[in-house]
Amino acid sequence: AQKVTQAQTEISVVEKEDVTLDCVYETRDTTYYLFWYKQPPSGELVFLIRRNSFDEQNEISGRYSWNFQKSTSSFNFTITASQVVDSAVYFCALSEADKAAGNKLTFGGGTRVLVKP
Amino acid sequence: DAMVIQNPRYQVTQFGKPVTLSCSQTLNHNVMYWYQQKSSQAPKLLFHYYDKDFNNEADTPDNFQSRRPNTSFCFLDIRSPGLGDAAMYLCATSRLLQGYEQYFGPGTRLTVT
Repeated sequence: AQKVTQAQTEISVVEKEDVTLDCVYETRDTTYYLFWYKQPPSGELVFLIRRNSFDEQNEISGRYSWNFQKSTSSFNFTITASQVVDSAVYFCALSEADKAAGNKLTFGGGTRVLVKP
Repeated sequence: DAMVIQNPRYQVTQFGKPVTLSCSQTLNHNVMYWYQQKSSQAPKLLFHYYDKDFNNEADTPDNFQSRRPNTSFCFLDIRSPGLGDAAMYLCATSRLLQGYEQYFGPGTRLTVT
């Protein structure tokens, strides 16, 4: 069975600080997909990134960067120079390649990030 | 802009009174999903449609039903809402089943009185 663990339930930082969100996953599949979603107070889940299990290249998008390490089953997310608008709950998620699984997302428990001015 | 739309954004219903939530998409995606999200929890998948094929999660109560009359629309019916069904209901779509990201609507917050 799949499992995603986000050990940090809440992180509070002051604006312009960097913040790293941890995500550790468990799966028996060799092919799988990892995702990060942002859920601001408005409630809508916003897709941030998708990563395939066979692509360990790290990625940077503006102030966001992701570090994928299969050896430690981790897919961590860093926000550089945080801003108040980054305040949200961030979810890490995993889906299997098995079509029968229906692209079901297994979510971590989420990490609430509070950026103070 | 292509998007996922949910109506209404807020819904109040009485205990035991049937309620229908709606979702529409302009993305022309094959797959549509319904999630339930309770306060401070991760979203929980209720069911999904791959085109017209309906797939129910094993632990979704019978009280929850869904309809997908065409590619663009999907409905969530709660036949007899209980107090425990108060939650945010999120609709999502994805292009294909395997490994593609899901795009979420803004959600409908359901209150049961």
